[in-house]
Amino acid sequence: DAGVIQSPRHEVTEMGQEVTLRCKPISGHNSLFWYRQTMMRGLELLIYFNNNVPIDDSGMPEDRFSAKMPNASFSTLKIQPSEPRDSAVYFCASSVELLFGEKLFFGSGTQLSVL
Amino acid sequence: AQSVTQLDSQVPVFEEAPVELRCNYSSSVSVYLFWYVQYPNQGLQLLLKYLSGSTLVKGINGFEAEFNKSQTSFHLRKPSVHISDTAEYFCAVSVSHGKLTFGQGTILTVHP
Repeated sequence: DAGVIQSPRHEVTEMGQEVTLRCKPISGHNSLFWYRQTMMRGLELLIYFNNNVPIDDSGMPEDRFSAKMPNASFSTLKIQPSEPRDSAVYFCASSVELLFGEKLFFGSGTQLSVL
Repeated sequence: AQSVTQLDSQVPVFEEAPVELRCNYSSSVSVYLFWYVQYPNQGLQLLLKYLSGSTLVKGINGFEAEFNKSQTSFHLRKPSVHISDTAEYFCAVSVSHGKLTFGQGTILTVHP
């Protein structure tokens, strides 16, 4: 299996622009997670889905952020409008089942820079 | 709410030396504990996890961790490190479905 695939690897944009990050989970995994990593705040869970349904989006910082999972093999995280403080590495992760001890498989991340 | 504290932001060691990366957690309920490793420009990979049973947990690449409930700790150890162990290590806890809370990370640098 190719693992969790994220695109793009790097994104540089200007403040105010719309940014869309994409994720393809591992086939057969029914839980998907979006994390954000910054030096100041470390790794933060933004939102997670189970069977394509958003379960908890309490980590989404504000209304400028939205996430969708239209089917089992694709998810997007959108920021509109983007701001410099959104600069971070965004990780997507997937797992087989939504259990306490499930193993998360992470993608390589998208490095976002908002100028 | 639960929290995780990794006591050392950076740990430099020489090759073949032992290493311990410290992790303490805070939670009002029972937790499940994890260690993940992040190599440069990659996502996180699971090293080991504690769900129940024996408090000494063995993981991949020769790492092990011991759950100490009275001290609310889950320290990661390896008796002899290699250059290839250079990476950032994250301790994490879970108390509910799907929600992992990560520590700030410890950068392990192994010198020849």
